Amino acid sequence: DAKTTQPPSMDCAEGRAANLPCNHSTISGNEYVYWYRQIHSQGPQYIIHGLKNNETNEMASLIITEDRKSSTLILPHATLRDTAVYYCIVISQGAQKLVFGQGTRLTINP
Amino acid sequence: DSGVTQTPKHLITATGQRVTLRCSPRSGDLSVYWYQQSLDQGLQFLIQYYNGEERAKGNILERFSAQQFPDLHSELNLSSLELGDSALYFCASSVGGQGTGELFFGEGSRLTVL
Repeated sequence: DAKTTQPPSMDCAEGRAANLPCNHSTISGNEYVYWYRQIHSQGPQYIIHGLKNNETNEMASLIITEDRKSSTLILPHATLRDTAVYYCIVISQGAQKLVFGQGTRLTINP
Repeated sequence: DSGVTQTPKHLITATGQRVTLRCSPRSGDLSVYWYQQSLDQGLQFLIQYYNGEERAKGNILERFSAQQFPDLHSELNLSSLELGDSALYFCASSVGGQGTGELFFGEGSRLTVL
C-alpha cells in the first residue's frame, strides 16, 4: 500500500473550515484514500473515503487531486469536539488490513 | 456507540501473568481486527479473523494469540506479560473480510503491566 505523509500537527479556529492535507504520491490506480480520526484514546472513527472523485458526507468532504497524488480532508465548520488525531490511509482493494501512520493532531481553538 | 463491545475496559496485572481481552463485533459483522496502541508505537495492526478463520497477521508477538468463536466474538490472549505490553488494545469489526470498507472500533481495553 502507498505511503502517506501528513503534517504532525495543525491548529484551526472554532467555526472555521479545517483543511487537512495528505500526500500519497506513490498511490496506484486501485488504491483508495481513507480518513479516520481518533479522539483522545477513544477507538478510531471512520470519516470518509474516496477513489478518485471528490466525496462529501455529513462529517466532512474529501478532495482528491486529479493526479491522485494528494488529498485534503475538509471539516467545514470545526468545533471543539473535532480536536483529534486524523489519519490518512491509502489501501488497495482487496487488502486485508488497515495500516495507520502517525496522523495529524488537529487542535480546534475557541 | 460503534456497536463493538470490548471487555474489560481497564486491566492491571503483573509481569509474567496472562490476560484475555474480549471483543463482541457489531451485529452482522464477520470480521474482527485487533490493534495495539502504545505511546511510542501508534496504532499497530495485530491480527484479523473472518468468520472464524485467521485472515491476516501483523506484528503480533508469539506470546500473543487470538481466536474468533462460532458466535463471532473474539478473544486476544496475552501471556508472559512484560512491561512493554502496557497499551490500549482495540478491536474493530467489519462486514466483509477486507481492509477496505468501514471498520468500526470499540472503545478499547487499557492494559497496565506492573
